[in-house]
Amino acid sequence: QVQLVQSGAEVKKPGASVKVSCKASGYTFTSYGISWVRQAPGQGLEWMGWISAYNGNTNYAQKLQGRVTMTTDTSTSTAYMELRSLRSDDTAVYYCAREVYSGSMGYWGQGTLVTVSS
Amino acid sequence: DIHMTQSPSTLSASVGDRVTITCRASQSVSSWLAWYQQKPGKAPKLLIYKASSLESGAPSRFSGSGSGTEFTLTISSLQPDDFATYYCQQYNSYSYTFGQGTKLEIK
Repeated sequence: QVQLVQSGAEVKKPGASVKVSCKASGYTFTSYGISWVRQAPGQGLEWMGWISAYNGNTNYAQKLQGRVTMTTDTSTSTAYMELRSLRSDDTAVYYCAREVYSGSMGYWGQGTLVTVSS
Repeated sequence: DIHMTQSPSTLSASVGDRVTITCRASQSVSSWLAWYQQKPGKAPKLLIYKASSLESGAPSRFSGSGSGTEFTLTISSLQPDDFATYYCQQYNSYSYTFGQGTKLEIK
Protein backbone atom coordinates (compact mmCIF):
# COMPACT_ATOMS: atom_id res chain seq x y z
CA GLN A 1 0.00 0.00 0.00
CA VAL A 2 1.09 3.56 -0.63
CA GLN A 3 2.79 5.15 2.37
CA LEU A 4 4.45 8.50 2.91
CA VAL A 5 6.48 8.68 6.11
CA GLN A 6 7.79 12.06 7.17
CA SER A 7 10.65 13.03 9.44
CA GLY A 8 10.10 14.08 13.01
CA ALA A 9 9.22 17.36 14.66
CA GLU A 10 11.70 20.22 14.56
CA VAL A 11 12.29 23.29 16.68
CA LYS A 12 14.21 26.09 14.98
CA LYS A 13 15.26 29.61 15.78
CA PRO A 14 14.23 32.53 13.59
CA GLY A 15 16.56 32.86 10.62
CA ALA A 16 17.46 29.17 10.57
CA SER A 17 16.57 26.58 7.94
CA VAL A 18 14.65 23.33 8.17
CA LYS A 19 14.63 20.32 5.87
CA VAL A 20 11.74 17.88 6.09
CA SER A 21 11.87 14.47 4.44
CA CYS A 22 9.08 12.32 3.04
CA LYS A 23 9.92 8.69 2.32
CA ALA A 24 7.57 6.99 -0.14
CA SER A 25 6.81 3.31 -0.50
CA GLY A 26 4.27 1.06 -2.15
CA TYR A 27 4.43 2.56 -5.65
CA THR A 28 6.86 3.58 -8.37
CA PHE A 29 8.27 6.80 -6.95
CA THR A 30 9.09 8.43 -10.28
CA SER A 31 5.54 8.03 -11.61
CA TYR A 32 3.89 10.71 -9.47
CA GLY A 33 4.50 14.24 -8.32
CA ILE A 34 4.67 15.30 -4.69
CA SER A 35 3.14 18.44 -3.26
CA TRP A 36 4.00 20.07 0.05
CA VAL A 37 1.20 21.65 2.06
CA ARG A 38 1.42 23.40 5.41
CA GLN A 39 -1.09 24.27 8.09
CA ALA A 40 -0.42 26.87 10.76
CA PRO A 41 -2.05 26.25 14.16
CA GLY A 42 -5.80 26.66 13.88
CA GLN A 43 -5.55 27.77 10.26
CA GLY A 44 -6.36 26.35 6.84
CA LEU A 45 -4.27 24.49 4.30
CA GLU A 46 -1.63 26.32 2.31
CA TRP A 47 -0.08 24.78 -0.80
CA MET A 48 3.67 25.38 -0.84
CA GLY A 49 4.76 23.78 -4.07
CA TRP A 50 5.07 20.67 -6.20
CA ILE A 51 7.91 18.58 -7.52
CA SER A 52 7.94 16.01 -10.27
CA ALA A 53 9.59 12.86 -8.98
CA TYR A 54 10.24 11.95 -12.60
CA ASN A 55 12.47 14.86 -13.63
CA GLY A 56 12.71 17.17 -10.61
CA ASN A 57 10.72 20.01 -12.17
CA THR A 58 9.24 22.27 -9.52
CA ASN A 59 6.47 24.85 -9.08
CA TYR A 60 6.53 26.94 -5.94
CA ALA A 61 3.91 29.19 -4.36
CA GLN A 62 4.78 32.76 -5.18
CA LYS A 63 4.92 33.86 -1.54
CA LEU A 64 7.61 31.27 -0.79
CA GLN A 65 9.74 31.78 -3.92
CA GLY A 66 13.35 32.25 -2.91
CA ARG A 67 12.95 30.63 0.51
CA VAL A 68 11.82 27.12 -0.40
CA THR A 69 13.55 24.32 -2.28
CA MET A 70 12.02 20.94 -3.07
CA THR A 71 14.14 18.02 -4.15
CA THR A 72 13.90 14.27 -4.56
CA ASP A 73 16.30 11.36 -4.18
CA THR A 74 15.05 8.63 -6.50
CA SER A 75 17.55 6.13 -5.10
CA THR A 76 15.76 6.21 -1.75
CA SER A 77 12.27 7.27 -2.94
CA THR A 78 12.44 10.30 -0.72
CA ALA A 79 11.23 13.85 -1.25
CA TYR A 80 12.63 16.80 0.65
CA MET A 81 11.39 20.29 1.41
CA GLU A 82 13.82 22.89 2.70
CA LEU A 83 12.60 26.23 4.01
CA ARG A 84 15.13 28.96 4.79
CA SER A 85 15.12 32.22 6.76
CA LEU A 86 12.48 30.86 9.10
CA ARG A 87 10.09 33.25 10.81
CA SER A 88 7.61 32.69 13.61
CA ASP A 89 4.75 32.57 11.12
CA ASP A 90 6.38 29.53 9.49
CA THR A 91 5.35 27.55 12.57
CA ALA A 92 3.05 24.90 11.13
CA VAL A 93 2.48 21.25 10.42
CA TYR A 94 4.09 20.43 7.09
CA TYR A 95 2.61 17.66 4.95
CA CYS A 96 3.84 15.91 1.85
CA ALA A 97 1.15 14.54 -0.43
CA ARG A 98 1.25 12.38 -3.55
CA GLU A 99 -0.86 13.35 -6.49
CA VAL A 100 -3.38 10.91 -7.79
CA TYR A 101 -5.20 12.60 -10.65
CA SER A 102 -3.08 15.40 -12.08
CA GLY A 103 -2.91 17.61 -9.01
CA SER A 104 -5.41 16.23 -6.56
CA MET A 105 -3.67 14.73 -3.54
CA GLY A 106 -4.75 11.25 -2.64
CA TYR A 107 -2.01 10.11 -0.27
CA TRP A 108 -0.64 12.18 2.59
CA GLY A 109 2.21 11.90 5.03
CA GLN A 110 1.51 12.06 8.74
CA GLY A 111 2.71 15.64 9.00
CA THR A 112 5.79 17.21 10.59
CA LEU A 113 5.45 19.97 13.16
CA VAL A 114 7.99 22.72 12.68
CA THR A 115 8.13 25.25 15.50
CA VAL A 116 10.01 28.49 15.00
CA SER A 117 10.78 30.18 18.27
CA SER A 118 13.58 32.14 19.85
CA ASP B 1 -2.78 33.19 -8.37
CA ILE B 2 -6.30 31.82 -8.49
CA HIS B 3 -8.21 32.65 -5.31
CA MET B 4 -10.72 30.13 -3.93
CA THR B 5 -13.58 31.25 -1.69
CA GLN B 6 -15.71 28.78 0.25
CA SER B 7 -19.08 29.45 1.80
CA PRO B 8 -20.19 29.22 4.43
CA SER B 9 -17.16 29.29 6.72
CA THR B 10 -19.11 27.43 9.39
CA LEU B 11 -22.16 25.26 8.97
CA SER B 12 -24.30 23.80 11.77
CA ALA B 13 -26.35 20.77 10.84
CA SER B 14 -27.90 17.63 12.27
CA VAL B 15 -27.41 13.95 11.54
CA GLY B 16 -29.52 13.06 8.51
CA ASP B 17 -29.48 16.58 7.02
CA ARG B 18 -28.53 17.26 3.42
CA VAL B 19 -25.83 19.90 3.28
CA THR B 20 -24.11 21.82 0.51
CA ILE B 21 -20.81 23.69 0.58
CA THR B 22 -19.92 26.11 -2.20
CA CYS B 23 -16.50 26.94 -3.62
CA ARG B 24 -15.94 29.81 -6.03
CA ALA B 25 -12.80 30.44 -8.06
CA SER B 26 -11.55 33.88 -9.04
CA GLN B 27 -11.13 32.60 -12.62
CA SER B 28 -12.06 29.45 -14.45
CA VAL B 29 -10.41 26.24 -13.28
CA SER B 30 -12.38 24.09 -15.73
CA SER B 31 -13.09 20.90 -13.76
CA TRP B 32 -9.73 20.76 -12.02
CA LEU B 33 -11.13 20.90 -8.53
CA ALA B 34 -10.85 18.58 -5.55
CA TRP B 35 -12.57 18.36 -2.17
CA TYR B 36 -10.95 17.18 1.05
CA GLN B 37 -12.17 16.32 4.52
CA GLN B 38 -9.94 17.00 7.50
CA LYS B 39 -10.43 16.02 11.12
CA PRO B 40 -8.47 17.58 14.00
CA GLY B 41 -4.89 16.36 14.20
CA LYS B 42 -5.17 14.34 10.99
CA ALA B 43 -4.04 14.77 7.41
CA PRO B 44 -6.69 15.73 4.88
CA LYS B 45 -8.50 12.99 3.02
CA LEU B 46 -9.41 13.26 -0.66
CA LEU B 47 -13.15 12.89 -1.30
CA ILE B 48 -13.77 14.25 -4.79
CA TYR B 49 -11.45 14.91 -7.74
CA LYS B 50 -12.05 16.49 -11.12
CA ALA B 51 -15.05 18.30 -9.64
CA SER B 52 -17.41 15.33 -9.56
CA SER B 53 -15.48 12.05 -9.43
CA LEU B 54 -15.76 10.18 -6.15
CA GLU B 55 -12.43 8.98 -4.81
CA SER B 56 -12.20 5.25 -4.23
CA GLY B 57 -13.28 4.44 -0.70
CA ALA B 58 -15.15 7.71 -0.12
CA PRO B 59 -18.79 7.18 0.90
CA SER B 60 -21.36 7.60 -1.86
CA ARG B 61 -23.29 10.18 0.19
CA PHE B 62 -20.60 12.66 -0.93
CA SER B 63 -21.02 14.20 -4.35
CA GLY B 64 -19.47 17.10 -6.22
CA SER B 65 -20.66 19.24 -9.08
CA GLY B 66 -19.78 22.35 -11.03
CA SER B 67 -17.27 23.62 -13.53
CA GLY B 68 -15.58 26.86 -14.42
CA THR B 69 -15.78 29.05 -11.34
CA GLU B 70 -18.56 27.60 -9.18
CA PHE B 71 -18.54 24.24 -7.46
CA THR B 72 -20.50 22.45 -4.77
CA LEU B 73 -19.90 19.58 -2.39
CA THR B 74 -23.08 17.90 -1.20
CA ILE B 75 -23.50 15.39 1.59
CA SER B 76 -26.84 13.70 1.03
CA SER B 77 -27.47 12.52 4.59
CA LEU B 78 -25.07 13.61 7.30
CA GLN B 79 -23.51 10.91 9.43
CA PRO B 80 -21.76 11.45 12.77
CA ASP B 81 -18.39 10.78 11.11
CA ASP B 82 -18.91 13.68 8.69
CA PHE B 83 -18.47 16.48 11.22
CA ALA B 84 -15.11 17.88 10.11
CA THR B 85 -13.60 20.69 8.08
CA TYR B 86 -13.85 20.60 4.29
CA TYR B 87 -11.53 22.25 1.79
CA CYS B 88 -11.71 22.77 -1.93
CA GLN B 89 -8.50 22.92 -3.98
CA GLN B 90 -7.94 23.98 -7.57
CA TYR B 91 -5.24 22.42 -9.70
CA ASN B 92 -5.90 24.10 -13.01
CA SER B 93 -2.83 26.30 -12.93
CA TYR B 94 0.74 25.47 -12.02
CA SER B 95 0.08 27.18 -8.72
CA TYR B 96 -2.49 25.26 -6.71
CA THR B 97 -4.67 26.93 -4.10
CA PHE B 98 -7.02 25.85 -1.34
CA GLY B 99 -10.19 27.46 -0.14
CA GLN B 100 -10.19 28.75 3.43
CA GLY B 101 -12.23 25.80 4.68
CA THR B 102 -15.77 25.11 5.89
CA LYS B 103 -16.21 23.74 9.40
CA LEU B 104 -19.22 21.46 9.65
CA GLU B 105 -20.52 21.40 13.22
CA ILE B 106 -23.20 19.45 15.01
CA LYS B 107 -26.35 21.50 15.62
